[in-house]
Amino acid sequence: DTGVSQNPRHKITKRGQNVTFRCDPISEHNRLYWYRQTLGQGPEFLTYFQNEAQLEKSRLLSDRFSAERPKGSFSTLEIQRTEQGDSAMYLCASSLQGPDTEAFFGQGTRLTVV
Amino acid sequence: AQSVTQPDIHITVSEGASLELRCNYSYGATPYLFWYVQSPGQGLQLLLKYFSGDTLVQGIKGFEAEFKRSQSSFNLRKPSVHWSDAAEYFCAVGGRASARQLTFGSGTQLTVLP
Repeated sequence: DTGVSQNPRHKITKRGQNVTFRCDPISEHNRLYWYRQTLGQGPEFLTYFQNEAQLEKSRLLSDRFSAERPKGSFSTLEIQRTEQGDSAMYLCASSLQGPDTEAFFGQGTRLTVV
Repeated sequence: AQSVTQPDIHITVSEGASLELRCNYSYGATPYLFWYVQSPGQGLQLLLKYFSGDTLVQGIKGFEAEFKRSQSSFNLRKPSVHWSDAAEYFCAVGGRASARQLTFGSGTQLTVLP
């Protein structure tokens, strides 16, 4: 499978715990994006990387959220001290660099904070 | 600020009938426009995109969309709907300089009756 891969697909955690998600982009894509989607809403942009550099972060990305892409390949998104409001689908996407390119999305990680 | 409005939260059509899903956008520069489809619990699949050129764009699964700059619209159409088209549809806007940091609408849920 050469698509965007996200793990785990589902995560249930207790409030206050830390969680980490992983995204493996399409191998030749140097741009990687994280989005969050709450129930009944469209995805909202969180952050993106070009290679290993994190170039933009949304105001939605509070201090409890941190994303890394250490070698410019896979990325991790960590949420510390989870809150019930963090329950959402976390989507990862990747694209080639350049203006006329499209983003390909993974199947997402569904987080439930209880 | 950029925004996308999908005025129809839910649309029901009979199989074989035609379909039009509405999308209006607000964007300060030349928009890049996208339609994605999402099945329950899944990620997003790109149906079609508009970057420039011909304002009528063809996508996968028999979908097409027309960019109308004067109306700030990018409506999605299909002449004959199939039961497998039942899903949620998202319109999104980005720009040449914004990589693929997209702003999504809140989606339109499509139900197809047999």
